[in-house]
Amino acid sequence: DTAVSQTPKYLVTQMGNDKSIKCEQNLGHDTMYWYKQDSKKFLKIMFSYNNKELIINETVPNRFSPKSPDKAHLNLHINSLELGDSAVYFCASSLPGQGANYGYTFGSGTRLTVV
Amino acid sequence: AQSVTQLGSHVSVSEGALVLLRCNYSSSVPPYLFWYVQYPNQGLQLLLKYTTGATLVKGINGFEAEFKKSETSFHLTKPSAHMSDAAEYFCAVSDRGTAGNKLTFGGGTRVLVKP
Repeated sequence: DTAVSQTPKYLVTQMGNDKSIKCEQNLGHDTMYWYKQDSKKFLKIMFSYNNKELIINETVPNRFSPKSPDKAHLNLHINSLELGDSAVYFCASSLPGQGANYGYTFGSGTRLTVV
Repeated sequence: AQSVTQLGSHVSVSEGALVLLRCNYSSSVPPYLFWYVQYPNQGLQLLLKYTTGATLVKGINGFEAEFKKSETSFHLTKPSAHMSDAAEYFCAVSDRGTAGNKLTFGGGTRVLVKP
């Protein structure tokens, strides 16, 4: 009954490989996100989808491609992995609109290590 | 564009002492404000949030924060630190009403609690 679940939790791979991270939320939220946390703990948004539509695409290399098959899922595919891609990737979801119910829920993260 | 500044990347407090973590933000519209806690090797957990109404917000684990519009601040406090409060704390801001409503995070403050 986890609210936002990511798989895998850990991912170790070699440079040049292609890998995917999956995210699913069972909260009924319309909006989902990918955030990247670097080695200095700095968190930055990468992408946001609202009801399967891409609405935020920050300055992320085009080796990163998000896909949202439905509003409960947001996957992240990374091509030609580089050492600098090593980080913790967090998926999140949020309610639309405004008000006291507004909030974000984060997954537990995927630690990607490129060797 | 929004930005969040957390003063002090590390804070050391004695068990039982006051915890004060500072957060200042800039936003072109009245923001939504959040504090998250991240324990080692875990995801982000919401401590508290300000969206509307009372400017003094109480959260989990005895934490509270006060929104001061005139000072563009949202400082986090806890009267008496516990060893279990050792973690990384993140302040975040969100534009209300923007599609996707991305969170912009501060750089984080690591709290160390001394016995």
